[in-house]
Amino acid sequence: GAGVSQSPSNKVTEKGKDVELRCDPISGHTALYWYRQRLGQGLEFLIYFQGNSAPDKSGLPSDRFSAERTGESVSTLTIQRTQQEDSAVYLCASSSGLAGYVEQFFGPGTRLTVL
Amino acid sequence: AQSVSQHNHHVILSEAASLELGCNYSYGGTVNLFWYVQYPGQHLQLLLKYFSGDPLVKGIKGFEAEFIKSKFSFNLRKPSVQWSDTAEYFCAVNAWNNDMRFGAGTRLTVKP
Repeated sequence: GAGVSQSPSNKVTEKGKDVELRCDPISGHTALYWYRQRLGQGLEFLIYFQGNSAPDKSGLPSDRFSAERTGESVSTLTIQRTQQEDSAVYLCASSSGLAGYVEQFFGPGTRLTVL
Repeated sequence: AQSVSQHNHHVILSEAASLELGCNYSYGGTVNLFWYVQYPGQHLQLLLKYFSGDPLVKGIKGFEAEFIKSKFSFNLRKPSVQWSDTAEYFCAVNAWNNDMRFGAGTRLTVKP
């Protein structure tokens, strides 16, 4: 596709359930980022993948959060035992290199609601 | 870690008014600075960026931003806004590491 895609667009889950969010980056983009945006707040960095290097997980808020990426393609963000404070829009972005030097292209986001 | 502050949460202007959105960051070293925009129903997209050189940078749709190092600021400006500029605007900073720090965003409403 032409842009970054994310699925599902909306997810409603019950507290304690696990959820999996998917991101398809732009083909050829080596860098992939996950962000979280809570209502009325800025984008919170979660995790960064660059090629085959070990991911930068420094932004993951707890061990309930994990993410995987297969090569330079699809990434999944998994939240285990969801809590109400996990409710947010989860955004994925990809770029052709380091985010500080090239434009990031964002997906439409997944709106997660934990009841 | 660096942080980014956007002073205005919601700005309401009439068409043709001038716009200035404030952005301040906390990091003292070399930084790369960005403004992203999210139009209603659309994805976040890059408006403009500063890496080095002329501190006054021009972006798309008539927007510009000025980097003032002494003030740790990167304010966004537009001389005359249009209704189509209604959107949410995010300032972002990248320092020595790979993560980007975003501000909380400023929602701009332009009244026709």
